[in-house]
Amino acid sequence: QVQLVQSGAEVKKPGSSVKVSCKASGLRFSDYGIAWVRQAPGQGLEWMGGIIPIFGSSKSAPKFQGRLTITTDESTRTAYMELTTLRADDTALYYCARYDWSLNWFDPWGQGTLVTVSS
Amino acid sequence: DIQMIQSPSSLSASLGDRVTITCRASQTISDYLNWYQQEAGKAPRLLIFAASSLQSRVPSRFSGSGSGTDFTLTISNLQPEDFATYYCQQSYSAPFTFGQGTYLEI
Repeated sequence: QVQLVQSGAEVKKPGSSVKVSCKASGLRFSDYGIAWVRQAPGQGLEWMGGIIPIFGSSKSAPKFQGRLTITTDESTRTAYMELTTLRADDTALYYCARYDWSLNWFDPWGQGTLVTVSS
Repeated sequence: DIQMIQSPSSLSASLGDRVTITCRASQTISDYLNWYQQEAGKAPRLLIFAASSLQSRVPSRFSGSGSGTDFTLTISNLQPEDFATYYCQQSYSAPFTFGQGTYLEI
């Protein structure tokens, strides 16, 4: 059974960076990718980007380019999402999800990591 | 970016009802359309992929249809656990955009 477990909640100052981890079990990185999706309080879902470890390639939504880095450590089956130059409107629940890179669906999802950006 | 518009934004229904949620894409996306369910306080879960394929362990009362720009999610015989928010997502081209969500309430 595939399970994704994310790191705990973070509180950050504007202008700083955050790095969220996502540890996978029951999943072969060679078969799937990892996507990151965020959800601002009371809002909908927003795809941020994804990575396909077997290809060593990642892509990000244009609005995050320059601020978002997605990486994986295959030895520990852990994916990471780092977002820099944080602003108040980056306050959100950040989810990782298994990503089927041929049909681009996301399932299952991690439990979510709340990132709060506040001075 | 491809825009995804869901309707309605919210919907009231009763146990045992059949409901339909629609999703329209701003350009043709073939059948690259997925549906997710998000219960309050939980992570989303995939219900339907490729417009009409049921994800494993998802009850058969959920079904999807459509191609091109217009898609529907139908839930038959509503159960208590079905009252949640539903999102469509286009998987045709990055950025993979979601609809704004449809809140299904009792």
